[in-house]
Amino acid sequence: EAGVTQSPTHLIKTRGQQATLRCSPISGHTSVYWYQQALGLGLQFLLWYDEGEERNRGNFPPRFSGRQFPNYSSELNVNALELEDSALYLCASSLGPPFGYTFGSGTRLTVV
Amino acid sequence: AQSVTQLDSQVPVFEEAPVELRCNYSSSVSVYLFWYVQYPNQGLQLLLKYLSGSTLVESINGFEAEFNKSQTSFHLRKPSVHISDTAEYFCALANAGGTSYGKLTFGQGTILTVHP
Repeated sequence: EAGVTQSPTHLIKTRGQQATLRCSPISGHTSVYWYQQALGLGLQFLLWYDEGEERNRGNFPPRFSGRQFPNYSSELNVNALELEDSALYLCASSLGPPFGYTFGSGTRLTVV
Repeated sequence: AQSVTQLDSQVPVFEEAPVELRCNYSSSVSVYLFWYVQYPNQGLQLLLKYLSGSTLVESINGFEAEFNKSQTSFHLRKPSVHISDTAEYFCALANAGGTSYGKLTFGQGTILTVHP
């Protein structure tokens, strides 16, 4: 069974640009979650999508947004990039809470 | 609001020694608890989880954790560690309901280093 796949693995952007990160969940999983793992800040919840709808959102500004497609894959968009957005962005999928999530390997976003 | 506190940021141990990684939580509603492990440059892997039922849960690689509601703890233990257990371990909490439903709250992580 294929795990959660994320692309790209690494992404380098300039401050002010937009970044798009992609995630394919495990087959059969309808929930997708996004987390930010920044140095010194730990793992912070960003977004939860289920059945195409945004179900919950963490304490991040509106320039962090995303969507879930009919095939349950998901996209995270970060607009007007700032240096402090540099982090590992992790996507996870599950059959829905409270089941344990399966995480992907992440996208390392570097903003210069 | 819910929170997770991992009491040790780093735990060094020798191979074959026992280890305990401590986790305390705070929440006003019922919780589900998880331990994840992260190896360098990788995502997180679910180690074990407590959803309900028996308060002692075990993983396939010898780790166990006990849910203690009165002490609001979910400590992770292993009686004999291996070099390959060297990694960062995260305790996480999910609320059974409320506005934070669907969100995992993570502790700051504990780096376990196993020395030969």
